[in-house]
Amino acid sequence: GQNIDQPTEMTATEGAIVQINCTYQTSGFNGLFWYQQHAGEAPTFLSYNVLDGLEEKGRFSSFLSRSKGYSYLLLKELQMKDSASYLCAVSRSNYQLIWGAGTKLIIKP
Amino acid sequence: GAGVSQSPSNKVTEKGKDVELRCDPISGHTALYWYRQSLGQGLEFLIYFQGNSAPDKSGLPSDRFSAERTGGSVSTLTIQRTQQEDSAVYLCASSPPGSGQFFGPGTRLTVL
Repeated sequence: GQNIDQPTEMTATEGAIVQINCTYQTSGFNGLFWYQQHAGEAPTFLSYNVLDGLEEKGRFSSFLSRSKGYSYLLLKELQMKDSASYLCAVSRSNYQLIWGAGTKLIIKP
Repeated sequence: GAGVSQSPSNKVTEKGKDVELRCDPISGHTALYWYRQSLGQGLEFLIYFQGNSAPDKSGLPSDRFSAERTGGSVSTLTIQRTQQEDSAVYLCASSPPGSGQFFGPGTRLTVL
């Protein structure tokens, strides 16, 4: 079957670093996406990994290990506006995404 | 337009009525998706269009749900004889081939 696991909720402090993990088991793999979703809003694209390794984009970085079925999203210098849900999604083909349930990140001052 | 647009933004209807939700994808995006999201829950895939055809309708919850896409652009999701459990945010997304999905703002449907 298809399975994507993420922690339900995480808490971190403003200015700190947080790592949100995602493990997946899917038949077929064509890349992994991370999306950010603020409460009451639609998801917005953060990153896409198709090869193993770390992709850095400003304060956000995403890592992928295909052999381990594992990815993480690393958020540095946390700001209050980073409080949101972070969704991991695996692409099985050119069109189909399998979505995780999301990790709600709470930032405290 | 610059992004995916959806209308209406909010819809309140009575149980048993039919509703139509509209999605305007980003121009040139061949793929279009409908999702449903209940409060505090993840995304539930409903249907995918490639051009005007729907190769994957596997997520439609029942035969009360249908969707069409015309001209490779606008799509409508129709829910007939709405039930209270249909209340959710309905999200539309579009993408070019092999790329990430860009989401619209969603339609919040409330069935009384």
